[in-house]
Amino acid sequence: EVQLVESGGGLVQPGGSLKLSCAASGFTFSSFWMSWGRQAPGKGLEWVANIKQDGSEKYYVDSVKGRFTISRDNTKNSLYLQMNSLRAEDTAVYYCAREYYYGSGRNYNPWGQGTLVTVSS
Amino acid sequence: QSVLTQPPSVSAAPGQKVIISCSGSSSNIGNNDVSWYQQLPGTAPKLLIYDNNERPSGIPDRFSGSKSGTSATLGITGLQTGDEADYYCGTWDSSLSAYVFGTGTKVTVL
Repeated sequence: EVQLVESGGGLVQPGGSLKLSCAASGFTFSSFWMSWGRQAPGKGLEWVANIKQDGSEKYYVDSVKGRFTISRDNTKNSLYLQMNSLRAEDTAVYYCAREYYYGSGRNYNPWGQGTLVTVSS
Repeated sequence: QSVLTQPPSVSAAPGQKVIISCSGSSSNIGNNDVSWYQQLPGTAPKLLIYDNNERPSGIPDRFSGSKSGTSATLGITGLQTGDEADYYCGTWDSSLSAYVFGTGTKVTVL
């Protein structure tokens, strides 16, 4: 069974840092692009970042550029999101997701259960 | 704010049909395939439609998708109470070099 399990969320003060992890199982992790998305309380989905299979390409949403860093360790089947200079507006449930191509389109399947990050003093 | 626009909510009686629209531009829907995601209350999103109109294994054929120009639609027929959820369209935006989700639509079964 393909499974993604996030961890590392919690309460952090504005300006602080947090590192999220996503443990993957049930598929060949090193063969897939991976992504992070988030959802603020009561709000819609927002894509945050993605990373190529070998880590050589990374893309970010404008609102986190220069503050967040996506990375991966294919030997540990793990995806990471280092979040620095956190702001109140970064408060959200953070999901990791596998990018899956059935044909030509980019899709996210599956998603993890999410981990809550709260930025507050 | 999202570059893909959806109606905030749609509703219909059990057994009826709803259609959800997703409006974008040439940099996203116009030149890239669209996916649709279902998010049941309190759960993670789930892929419903890929490549504009295809269903992953296990998704019933009550769900359908289409795309024309810079817009896409999701249709749900034979509406069931279990379909009450938030639905999001999504695609890559070539100008932003980022994936973008729609604003989301809440489906209510009356």
